[in-house]
Parts: sequence; C-alpha cells; structure tokens
Amino acid sequence: EDQVTQSPEALRLQEGESSSLNCSYTVSGLRGLFWYRQDPGKGPEFLFTLYSAGEEKEKERLKATLTKKESFLHITAPKPEDSATYLCAVQAGRGYNKLIFGAGTRLAVHP
Amino acid sequence: SAVISQKPSRDICQRGTSLTIQCQVDSQVTMMFWYRQQPGQSLTLIATANQGSEATYESGFVIDKFPISRPNLTFSTLTVSNMSPEDSSIYLCSVDRGVGELFFGEGSRLTVL
Repeated sequence: EDQVTQSPEALRLQEGESSSLNCSYTVSGLRGLFWYRQDPGKGPEFLFTLYSAGEEKEKERLKATLTKKESFLHITAPKPEDSATYLCAVQAGRGYNKLIFGAGTRLAVHP
Repeated sequence: SAVISQKPSRDICQRGTSLTIQCQVDSQVTMMFWYRQQPGQSLTLIATANQGSEATYESGFVIDKFPISRPNLTFSTLTVSNMSPEDSSIYLCSVDRGVGELFFGEGSRLTVL
C-alpha cells in the first residue's frame, strides 16, 4: 500500500536556526513528490515538485531534495513568517493525478 | 497558478441535514478534485470530478454520501449528505493545471452539531 510518513510531527525553531523536515515514502512507481505549505485556515500552497532521485529545488530559504526512499525540506535561517504546516505528497503510477499526502510537519519559528 | 473560490468558507450544520459546497475556478480545467482534511489530519482524496462523466470515488467514499456535480469546465459542487458530527472537516477543492501540480481553494470548514 502506498504510504507517506512525515517527521517530526512538530518542530520549534529559533529564528535563524536551520533544520530539515523529512518525508519518507513507500509507493509503487513514483511519478512525482510534492511539497506544500499550509497556513492556518487556508488551503495548501504549492512549493516544489521533484521527479527523480538526486533532484534538488530551491525557493528562498527552502530547499527540497529527493532520494529513492525519502525527501528532505531544508530550511535555512528561518524567519517567523516561515511558520506553517509543511505537507509532503506523492503521485504514484495509477494513471491519474491522485496525490497521497503525509500528515504534515507543524513548524513554529520564534524570534 | 489558478484562482479557486469556494463557498461557503465555513458553516455550522445540524445532524441529519445536507450541505452543498461550491467550487469555482478562474479558467477551464479538465479534472477537479475534492479532498477532506479532518481535524489534525492530512488531506484525503474523496473523488475526482471530470466534466461530462460520473465522478470517480476513492475507497471509503460513496456517491450517496458525497454526490458531486461537474456541469462545466470551471465549476463543481460537493454535497455532504445526512451529516453527522464525524463529517466535521475542512473540504477542499483542487485543480491540476496540466503539469501535475495541484492548486487548492481556501477550503470550506464544516462543523456538524
């Protein structure tokens, strides 16, 4: 069964304290791995798509990487406005665009 | 990116009643998706709605409970029927603009008493 596990469930950082969020997955035929940011009371906002092991993408203080079993979202020198829930999702080889989401990591960055 | 509007943004409903959630997209899309996000949990796909055909439901979701309409390429509705407190969730509409990346509406927060 396709599965996505994110860790940690919650993370508290001081402003400027870099860290990484983990997304491990078990799927048959990975077509893509997606990272989303979700603010309270809002829908998820798309961040990155990764398609193959070794691929990396960056956006401001965020950098996403992908291996054959997991993805990391690295946050460099975070700011309080980076506080949100970060969701990982995978798209498996089932012929249409169904995403399987992890439970998310709640990130809190304190000044 | 796509602009997706959902109505209502939130509602409080009585047990046994039904609520219809509307989703309007600012451009034509082939596939629209309805997700549920229960309190403290992640997103679960309810069904995929294509214009001109029956919606495709995921395991654990049935048409009698969650009827979906897709009358054109920019609009869809999801009805939550015969509601119980277990249906209290955020319901999210999303679209794929053709590159495998989903865009989501703001969600409809439903509370069933």
